Amino acid sequence: AQKVTQAQTEISVVEKEDVTLDCVYETRDTTYYLFWYKQPPSGELVFLIRRNSFDEQNEISGRYSWNFQKSTSSFNFTITASQVVDSAVYFCALSDFQGAQKLVFGQGTRLTINP
Amino acid sequence: DAGVIQSPRHEVTEMGQEVTLRCKPISGHNSLFWYRQTMMRGLELLIYFNNNVPIDDSGMPEDRFSAKMPNASFSTLKIQPSEPRDSAVYFCASSFRSNEKLFFGSGTQLSVL
Repeated sequence: AQKVTQAQTEISVVEKEDVTLDCVYETRDTTYYLFWYKQPPSGELVFLIRRNSFDEQNEISGRYSWNFQKSTSSFNFTITASQVVDSAVYFCALSDFQGAQKLVFGQGTRLTINP
Repeated sequence: DAGVIQSPRHEVTEMGQEVTLRCKPISGHNSLFWYRQTMMRGLELLIYFNNNVPIDDSGMPEDRFSAKMPNASFSTLKIQPSEPRDSAVYFCASSFRSNEKLFFGSGTQLSVL
């Protein structure tokens, strides 16, 4: 069975600090997708990134970066120079490669950026 | 594009009543998903459709729940009769292909009293 664990329930930092959100996953599939979604206070889920299991290159998008390590089954997310607008709940998710986006979500990490 | 549109945004009803949640996916998307979010269980997939056909409803909690997709631009999730434990945020999501990223609606906050 697939499982995603986000051990950090809540994180609170001061603006401009860097923060890393951890994600550890379990799957028996050799190929799969990993995702991060953001849920701001308004409630909708916003797609941030999708990474397939073939590609272990780290990805950077502005202040966001992702570190995928297959050896440790981790897909961590770092926000550099955090801003108040980054405050949200962040979800890591996993899906199989073949079929539909049957996402298995972690429990989420509530990130609060204080001014 | 307007994105995935869900209605209503909030629904308050009494136990035993029928509840219908509605979703309009993004035009051109052929996969549609219903998810439920609760504090206890997090985000769970209830059912998904591909080309208007239900593919996997194994996440539907029980027979009180049913979902339909009569055409490519509309889907409903019905709960009959509703119970307090059904209180949750229900999300609809769509994707262009079944293995593409999901676009989520704003959700329907359901409260069953």
